[in-house]
Amino acid sequence: QSVLTQPPSVSGAPGQRVTISCTGSSSNIGAGYDVHWYQQLPGTAPKLLIYGNTNRPSGVPDRFSGSKSGTSASLAITGLQAEDEAHYYCQSYDSSLSGSVVFGGGTKLTVL
Amino acid sequence: EVQLVESGGGLVKPGGSLRLSCAASGFTFSSYNMNWVRQAPGKGLEWVSSISSTSSYIYYADSLKGRFTISRDNAKNSLYLQMNSLRAEDTAVYYCARESGGDYDYWGQGTLVTVSS
Repeated sequence: QSVLTQPPSVSGAPGQRVTISCTGSSSNIGAGYDVHWYQQLPGTAPKLLIYGNTNRPSGVPDRFSGSKSGTSASLAITGLQAEDEAHYYCQSYDSSLSGSVVFGGGTKLTVL
Repeated sequence: EVQLVESGGGLVKPGGSLRLSCAASGFTFSSYNMNWVRQAPGKGLEWVSSISSTSSYIYYADSLKGRFTISRDNAKNSLYLQMNSLRAEDTAVYYCARESGGDYDYWGQGTLVTVSS
């Protein structure tokens, strides 16, 4: 049971927009900690996709965007492409845990 | 180019020990906090441990209960994870990751640890 809750799966057709939610609580996202997002393609290491809630590292297409409100955060992907099919994870910190780093359980995005 | 290369994984019996290494290059290793993150087969990401740039601050996931020890050698640009009393549930790919402002901006390719008799 992950501290941050993500839907196990989402899907969309090429060109469509999908969103992936990351729901936390008052001890993590709601406490003001930043949320970061990672993309993991099959058989590869995770890659930073969004940092500090809304920022894209250099090289990440602007089709990917992040937002945060209250105890939740979201990753939006517009203009869906086949290459976006991957697992996506949110990450934050939790003040109630030793060391504090927490990940969401991950969401598998399927491009139909 | 930033590179993180893990090594030391393999097959170990329950109760055994293993030491993972992560060789860093392409950046000033001594300026960054470093972390270990693991991923069990078919499962999600799980944070394992973090160590500050000067080794002053070290944290572990509660689930490890003192069995793992993180360390680093800034002179050798290397990060380590000593794993003792290994259990089947420790079977996972172990990634080292560079921490930057709370996120992990670079990851290694991972090393597989299999705990089985």
